Amino acid sequence: NAGVTQTPKFRILKIGQSMTLQCAQDMNHNYMYWYRQDPGMGLKLIYYSVGAGITDKGEVPNGYNVSRSTTEDFPLRLELAAPSQTSVYFCASSYALAGGTDTQYFGPGTRLTVL
Amino acid sequence: AQKVTQAQTEISVVEKEDVTLDCVYETRDTTYYLFWYKQPPSGELVFLIRRNSFDEQNEISGRYSWNFQKSTSSFNFTITASQVVDSAVYFCALSEALDNTDKLIFGTGTRLQVFP
Repeated sequence: NAGVTQTPKFRILKIGQSMTLQCAQDMNHNYMYWYRQDPGMGLKLIYYSVGAGITDKGEVPNGYNVSRSTTEDFPLRLELAAPSQTSVYFCASSYALAGGTDTQYFGPGTRLTVL
Repeated sequence: AQKVTQAQTEISVVEKEDVTLDCVYETRDTTYYLFWYKQPPSGELVFLIRRNSFDEQNEISGRYSWNFQKSTSSFNFTITASQVVDSAVYFCALSEALDNTDKLIFGTGTRLQVFP
């Protein structure tokens, strides 16, 4: 199992450009998440999905969009990049049973700089 | 409101010293889960432990141990006989069962530097 994979590892964008951060998991997890980590801070939730076709906003969703057309993939879209979106982005997944909380496993992260 | 506080921003120790990383949480839920993750200099997040709110037994895994105390809303992490490879940022996180989404609320992390 590759676990949670993310591409690209690094990216530099100009203000106003768009891009999609890719995330895939091969563990048959139903829940998937996107977090961002700003320097010296913990992770903050951007969006999450509890299954294919279902997504919802987290704590800091502005400027981002997501889709979940398959169980395996959960891409994060930045439409008009801004310097405030300079951060490290982590994708995570877990297998959640009803009434329980499973452990989230994280991808290696994508370091994004917007200039 | 739910919150995780890691008051220690940075800790420096010399190898073989014991070190305790503090974590204090706030939640209205009676069923919740607490986690510790390690983020080494390479940047990935490594899962260390998950504990549910009904299990207050302390846990030991090699040089690592965790002390969960509901009375003080704390879930502290101790490394015994620290090693240089323990140098990393350590995050404590909370997930509330009522939420049904398993979202994690992270503390701001404690950077541990272990010097030889």
